[in-house]
Amino acid sequence: QSVLTQPPSASGTPGQRVTISCSGSSSNIGSRTVDWYQQLPGTAPKYLIYSNNQRPSGVPDRFSGSKSGTSASLAISGLQSEDEGDYYCATWDDSLKGVVFGGGTKLTVL
Amino acid sequence: EVQLVESGGGVVKPGGSLRLSCAVSGFNFNDFSINWVRQAPGKGLEWVSSISGSSTYIFYADSVKGRFTISRDNAKQSVYLQMHSLRGDDTALYYCARTISVPGTDAFDLWGQGTMVTVSS
Repeated sequence: QSVLTQPPSASGTPGQRVTISCSGSSSNIGSRTVDWYQQLPGTAPKYLIYSNNQRPSGVPDRFSGSKSGTSASLAISGLQSEDEGDYYCATWDDSLKGVVFGGGTKLTVL
Repeated sequence: EVQLVESGGGVVKPGGSLRLSCAVSGFNFNDFSINWVRQAPGKGLEWVSSISGSSTYIFYADSVKGRFTISRDNAKQSVYLQMHSLRGDDTALYYCARTISVPGTDAFDLWGQGTMVTVSS
């Protein structure tokens, strides 16, 4: 059971917009910034969004992040087949004194 | 080239020990915290441990506290994870990852390719 809750799966057709939610509590998302990672099949994770809504250099602006209270969301617009993979949210938890990940959301492009 | 390269994985019996290494190159190693993150086969990511640049701050997940020890040698630009009392649920691909140098976030901006640890009799 992950500290951060994500839906196990999400899907969309090419060109669509999908969102992935991440729910936490006051000891993690409620008091910290949220990061998102993309893991394509057979590869190491890659950071996608940091500090709630900041995109690293090289990440397309189709990817965006937001946070409100104890929840965060990752939005992917203009969905492409190469976006298929697993997406994880993460943040620091002040009670556990460690980084916590969501359980991951498997994105399927139909 | 900026990279992290893990090594030391293998097959070990329950109760056994193993030491993982993460060799770093291409950036000022002393300035960054380094983490270990693991992924059991077919499962999600689990943060294991982190160590700050000067080794002042060290943290562990509850699942490994008392069994795993993280350390670093800045002269060798390497981070280590000494694992004792290994159990079947420690079986995973172990990644080392760098914490981004941006205030207010603990994001991992650089990852290695991982080293596999299998605990089996």
